[in-house]
Amino acid sequence: GAVVSQHPSWVICKSGTSVKIECRSLDFQATTMFWYRQFPKQSLMLMATSNEGSKATYEQGVEKDKFLINHASLTLSTLTVTSAHPEDSSFYICSAGTGEQFFGPGTRLTVL
Amino acid sequence: QKEVEQDPGPLSVPEGAIVSLNCTYSNSAFQYFMWYRQYSRKGPELLMYTYSSGNKEDGRFTAQVDKSSKYISLFIRDSQPSDSATYLCAMTKSGANNLFFGTGTRLTVIP
Repeated sequence: GAVVSQHPSWVICKSGTSVKIECRSLDFQATTMFWYRQFPKQSLMLMATSNEGSKATYEQGVEKDKFLINHASLTLSTLTVTSAHPEDSSFYICSAGTGEQFFGPGTRLTVL
Repeated sequence: QKEVEQDPGPLSVPEGAIVSLNCTYSNSAFQYFMWYRQYSRKGPELLMYTYSSGNKEDGRFTAQVDKSSKYISLFIRDSQPSDSATYLCAMTKSGANNLFFGTGTRLTVIP
């Protein structure tokens, strides 16, 4: 199957700082990528749909000014958590694909 | 009511047992159905992908879809300790790529 990578896999930051997470499709082009958040022992919740060359579409309740998404190329989408707070600590996962969705390995964010 | 319901478990079975995992859904617009396996602190891995009612088999795994009842199942035969993981059902609507997930069922296969 197709490969999706994420970087970093794990990050710890201080409250108030910003963190950027990268999602790359390694062997295919993706005009659309999805960003999910997963809290411990809970399922994946869709945060936003990242569209190459246009604005992201955010799910209800997700602050677009806090979670900045940039999809500048067909193989890269970035999620920036701005002014992170402890409640933003979670597992962030991206996916890409047409029909079948392939997931990245996830990024564990811990905000102190 | 959530659009996709899944029993969170946890579910513990002895090695070699047959495991049955199930999800129900309420939206008849869902046309494509998937099962993902997620190990702790890892991204989900696609196991099965189906789009029609009936059964689809792949090795020890069988996915079953009943659109009339809005019910899907995943069966694991001869379960192994390496099958211990969280299993997530997911589904999507025709023409869409975003997935709607169940809460996941945590499975432990005891040697």
